[in-house]
Amino acid sequence: QQQVKQSPQSLIVQKGGIPIINCAYENTAFDYFPWYQQFPGKGPALLIAIRPDVSEKKEGRFTISFNKSAKQFSLHIMDSQPGDSATYFCAASYMNYGGSQGNLIFGKGTKLSVKP
Amino acid sequence: GAGVSQSPRYKVAKRGQDVALRCDPISGHVSLFWYQQALGQGPEFLTYFQNEAQLDKSGLPSDRFFAERPEGSVSTLKIQRTQKEDSAVYLCASSRTPTEAPYEQYFGPGTRLTVT
Repeated sequence: QQQVKQSPQSLIVQKGGIPIINCAYENTAFDYFPWYQQFPGKGPALLIAIRPDVSEKKEGRFTISFNKSAKQFSLHIMDSQPGDSATYFCAASYMNYGGSQGNLIFGKGTKLSVKP
Repeated sequence: GAGVSQSPRYKVAKRGQDVALRCDPISGHVSLFWYQQALGQGPEFLTYFQNEAQLDKSGLPSDRFFAERPEGSVSTLKIQRTQKEDSAVYLCASSRTPTEAPYEQYFGPGTRLTVT
């Protein structure tokens, strides 16, 4: 049973466009929702993260929108650039181990290609 | 400062050989996670350490997998009698403290294991 479902699997946009990647989760205990960017041959790098007490968070060109009632969250990349071409993963975690933040549960990833 | 480092970066093993993968977390980070990333998939949790204590090993796929962090810093993931299905990228991540925000996990570059 996949706890975090991510879509689309791949996405192609023109430079300057606004790609949107969506994730849905099932476990209402999740309380931390990060997005990671991964380039080939590299480890995932954190882009932005949100807690369920806010509906939107912006950092630079990256925005997370969060809908707690629908159990969905999404990543928007403003003014996308060819250098943003990478694989993006959403993830979720919750407090576990008697009060410690637990492991991340990842979506399957979205391969983004930004055309010049 | 230095990030999470992993060694070796690439490992080719013949089926049946034992391998040991090393992770050097960011200095002072309490939490250390191991993940396995199959080709084209998101990372999947293997095991979690809080200092030297292994609090969760529920993601280890078989008893051929063993991890340790004896002094609460460097960690080693050992795979005995490797099988072809063990071929994957093994990622290590560390975070500063598990009990208060931020819960950001910093990933290393991974070790790509190929079992022939």
